[in-house]
Amino acid sequence: GQNIDQPTEMTATEGAIVQINCTYQTSGFNGLFWYQQHAGEAPTFLSYNVLDGLEEKGRFSSFLSRSKGYSYLLLKELQMKDSASYLCAVLDSNYQLIWGAGTKLIIKP
Amino acid sequence: GAVVSQHPSWVICKSGTSVKIECRSLDFQATTMFWYRQFPKQSLMLMATSNEGSKATYEQGVEKDKFLINHASLTLSTLTVTSAHPEDSSFYICSARRSTGDFYEQYFGPGTRLTVT
Repeated sequence: GQNIDQPTEMTATEGAIVQINCTYQTSGFNGLFWYQQHAGEAPTFLSYNVLDGLEEKGRFSSFLSRSKGYSYLLLKELQMKDSASYLCAVLDSNYQLIWGAGTKLIIKP
Repeated sequence: GAVVSQHPSWVICKSGTSVKIECRSLDFQATTMFWYRQFPKQSLMLMATSNEGSKATYEQGVEKDKFLINHASLTLSTLTVTSAHPEDSSFYICSARRSTGDFYEQYFGPGTRLTVT
């Protein structure tokens, strides 16, 4: 079967750095996405990785290791507005997105 | 660019009635549109995938006669919840895919919150 694992909830302090991990086992791989979802809103795109390595975009970075079936999202200089759920999703061999359950990130002052 | 709209943003209806939700890609043509349902504190659940001009492909466990999907054009897809019941109350989100080279990003609409009384 297809499976994506990420922690259910994480807590971090404003101004700090947090890393949200995602491991996956899917039938085929055509890229991994990270989305941010605030409560009551639709997901918004953060990043896309299809090759191994680190992609940096401002305060957010995403890393991928295809051989390990592993990715992480790194958030720096945390702000209160970063409190949200972060969803990891893998595009499988049929170009269908397989979604993780999401990680709820709580930022404390 | 790449904006997806949904209408209505929220709706309350009585049990047994039908509700139609529209999903539009405003500034691009969507080769494929997806309909998701999300219950509180849960992740997205894909309901169906539709390509313009063809029948939607429904996920296992989703009743195609209850959730009617019409993808009439490259910018419009509709989801009709027929004979709605309280258990259909949920957050319905559509997304549209625009293929750009090897990058298959999905753009999400703002969602429609359905409450069935």
